[in-house]
Amino acid sequence: EVQLVQSGAEVKKPGESLKISCKGSGYSFTSYWIAWVRQMPGKGLEWMGIIYPDDSDTTYSPSFQGQVTISADKSISTAYLQWNSLKASDTAMYYCARSTGTFEYWGQGTLVTVYS
Amino acid sequence: DIQMTQSPSSLSASVGDRVTITCRASQTISTYLNWYQQKPGKAPNLLIYGASSLQSGVPSRFSGSGSGTDFTLTISSLQPEDFATYYCQQSHSTPYTFGQGTKLEIK
Repeated sequence: EVQLVQSGAEVKKPGESLKISCKGSGYSFTSYWIAWVRQMPGKGLEWMGIIYPDDSDTTYSPSFQGQVTISADKSISTAYLQWNSLKASDTAMYYCARSTGTFEYWGQGTLVTVYS
Repeated sequence: DIQMTQSPSSLSASVGDRVTITCRASQTISTYLNWYQQKPGKAPNLLIYGASSLQSGVPSRFSGSGSGTDFTLTISSLQPEDFATYYCQQSHSTPYTFGQGTKLEIK
């Protein structure tokens, strides 16, 4: 069974750093792209970027380029989404999804709350 | 970037109704169009891929059509569990953009 399990909810202050994770199982982790998708409170879905875990080839949405870093460690079948300096506007639910362009499998989401 | 525009943004309907949601791409995307259903507090769920292919396990009352720039999602007979928000998404080229969503509510 394909599963993507994300790390737990986070509460952070503005300016702090954060790295959330997405662990894949039940399939060949290095054979599929992993996408990250943001959903701000009460809003729609926004595609942030994708990574190919086998070689860490990464593509970002222009809207998120320079704002976050996507990485992966194929040895532990885990993808990451990282911020160096959080802002209140980063408060959102973040989902990872296995991507072929189509998102067939999703993680359960990680809620990130940033407030002072 | 390819912009995806859904209509309507919200829709009220009754159990048993036939409902159609439309999605328009800002440039041609062939049939690289997917539909998702999202319920409150849950991750999205893939319903339709490649514009018209039904994802495994999805009820046959859901169907998709279209190609090029204009697409539709149809629910033939609404069931109580279908009240949710629906998103289209293009998988033609990165960034893989979503429509703004259509919230389907009970009348």
